[in-house]
Formats: sequence, C-alpha cells, structure tokens
Amino acid sequence: DAGITQSPRHKVTETGTPVTLRCHQTENHRYMYWYRQDPGHGLRLIHYSYGVKDTDKGEVSDGYSVSRSKTEDFLLTLESATSSQTSVYFCAISDKDRMNTGELFFGEGSRLTVL
Amino acid sequence: ILNVEQSPQSLHVQEGDSTNFTCSFPSSNFYALHWYRWETAKSPEALFVMTLNGDEKKKGRISATLNTKEGYSYLYIKGSQPEDSATYLCAPRGNTGKLIFGQGTTLQVKP
Repeated sequence: DAGITQSPRHKVTETGTPVTLRCHQTENHRYMYWYRQDPGHGLRLIHYSYGVKDTDKGEVSDGYSVSRSKTEDFLLTLESATSSQTSVYFCAISDKDRMNTGELFFGEGSRLTVL
Repeated sequence: ILNVEQSPQSLHVQEGDSTNFTCSFPSSNFYALHWYRWETAKSPEALFVMTLNGDEKKKGRISATLNTKEGYSYLYIKGSQPEDSATYLCAPRGNTGKLIFGQGTTLQVKP
C-alpha cells in the first residue's frame, strides 16, 4: 500500500471555526490532491498540487485553501467552516512522471461534520 | 477537463450477467483516462490507466477500451459477481495533472 495518511480521521466542529486537514505521504510523489465525497457527485476535486508551493484550484475550491511547503505534506484549510462543508475528504497522490501509470493512491478519508 | 459524463448512474444485475458502462469526456487536452473501483466505506482503487487511442486493458473479468478521438471509454464486466458491487469512477487527466472524476456508475449484483 502507498504510504499515505490523513489526519484527523474524524472531526466534529462548529460553524465558523477554522479546520485544517493534513495529508502526509512517504512516497515522494509529485502530485497531491484533495477531493470531497458528496452523494450524487462522486468525488469532486477541491485543490491539487503539482509540486512544492505549486497548487491549483479544482471544481469546488471556494471556501478552501491549501498549502504545500514540503513534498510530503499537503494541508487543506477551511478558514470558516460551514455546514455545506460536512463531507468525507480524500487525499490522493500520484507520480505520473515516472515509468508508471500515474494512477492515484488514496488515503483512508477524513470525515468532517460541521454543526 | 470538465464535463465528464458516466452512464448509467446505477445498474442492478443478477449474478452471472455481463454488463458495461460508458465514460464520455472532452477529447481536447487529453493525457490519460483512469478507471477506479470504489467500494462502500473504503477508498477508491485504480483499475486501469489508458493513454493511447484504441487501448484495451484487462484485469480478470473486467476490461476497458478507449477512444480518444471521439472521447469515450467503455468498462466491461463479464459474468458479474456480488463482490463486483461497487461504484465505478472514470477520470480523464490533462497535461497539468488535474484529474476530474465523473459522478460514477453504481453497480449492484444480486446473488
């Protein structure tokens, strides 16, 4: 299994509070992604990173920010959580530049509930 | 890469039936097409990554084809089993590394 861990795995918070989710990898993969799982929508891309300090927006980036100060960590921050951000968040990593398929390896997910 | 469409949204079949799903995507700025299998309460896992027009890949009873010129891919499951029950996601990938998923096809296989 790819070395990818998400923390926290479960979090309950209140509307208006800041929340940071962490994705940590030990694979030295270049690309890292944050997705959210929503019924009827599958997985929707929030932000992704194509290198240290290189990030770009996805489909549903409003209300989220990210940072990647080193290869192994990709942080997702909700500056002021809202109930609509209640979801399961998945981190994924990929390294398409090598002689491999570039497939994504997913973390186990972080369940966030905003009351 | 936007406007990824998967059909059908859901499918109920009997054990032993063969089935197929469709993934449609814009053919411009295409780099690769990914298929993932996502079981309930688990994380998605890669089935196939295809890059060339006409590519065909197979893993056991599951196979996939790719047409990059017209922007579609088919996933086939031969002789469905209850353990094949899952959501199947496709995602085209562009040169930037951005990977947008379709909404998925949820397959239920009844014993």
